[in-house]
Amino acid sequence: ETGVTQSPTHLIKTRGQQVTLRCSSQSGHNTVSWYQQALGQGPQFIFQYYREEENGRGNFPPRFSGLQFPNYSSELNVNALELDDSALYLCASSLDYRGSNTEAFFGQGTRLTVV
Amino acid sequence: KQEVTQIPAALSVPEGENLVLNCSFTDSAIYNLQWFRQDPGKGLTSLLLIQSSQREQTSGRLNASLDKSSGRSTLYIAASQPGDSATYLCAVSGNYGQNFVFGPGTRLSVLP
Repeated sequence: ETGVTQSPTHLIKTRGQQVTLRCSSQSGHNTVSWYQQALGQGPQFIFQYYREEENGRGNFPPRFSGLQFPNYSSELNVNALELDDSALYLCASSLDYRGSNTEAFFGQGTRLTVV
Repeated sequence: KQEVTQIPAALSVPEGENLVLNCSFTDSAIYNLQWFRQDPGKGLTSLLLIQSSQREQTSGRLNASLDKSSGRSTLYIAASQPGDSATYLCAVSGNYGQNFVFGPGTRLSVLP
């Protein structure tokens, strides 16, 4: 049991709509990272939050945005959905983003389908 | 820029075989290397974490080694079972502005 939970588990949206995905990090973890995983590929880094501040971002457009709350839970928001946004979205939490405390614990993912 | 590769991309073996999965990374300045297992359509389950100062870690039938200077890690699975069938991903953490950089994974099938 990792303690990282994501909601919802599955979601179907129409192209052009907006979506919000949620992640509850493991107790005591202040770092949350979001990844997009297309079918048959490894996870691609979207962005990372540390103590409510974004401190790293991958090669994703601004319509991918996020938040981290004081309890270190997090949201991923995607605007103007495109068909290529269909993927498994993974959230990971860790004690820190530096040094030996970077061991990551993942949630079960949210499967987003854009039609 | 850190890049992670995994060989082979896919592997099919009969039950009971010992097998080795390989992971390579280009930047040896890492904090940790972590091996994950992923079942189809599911999230990632952490198998082993090797800190940069360590050479190997063991958990049950799994043994992971790390050679930071050569940018390599191997995951050894002893006496494979059909339940080991999954995709195995390695990932490294470091001062990259992101938590982890992942490899593309090795898809393992263990045949009964």
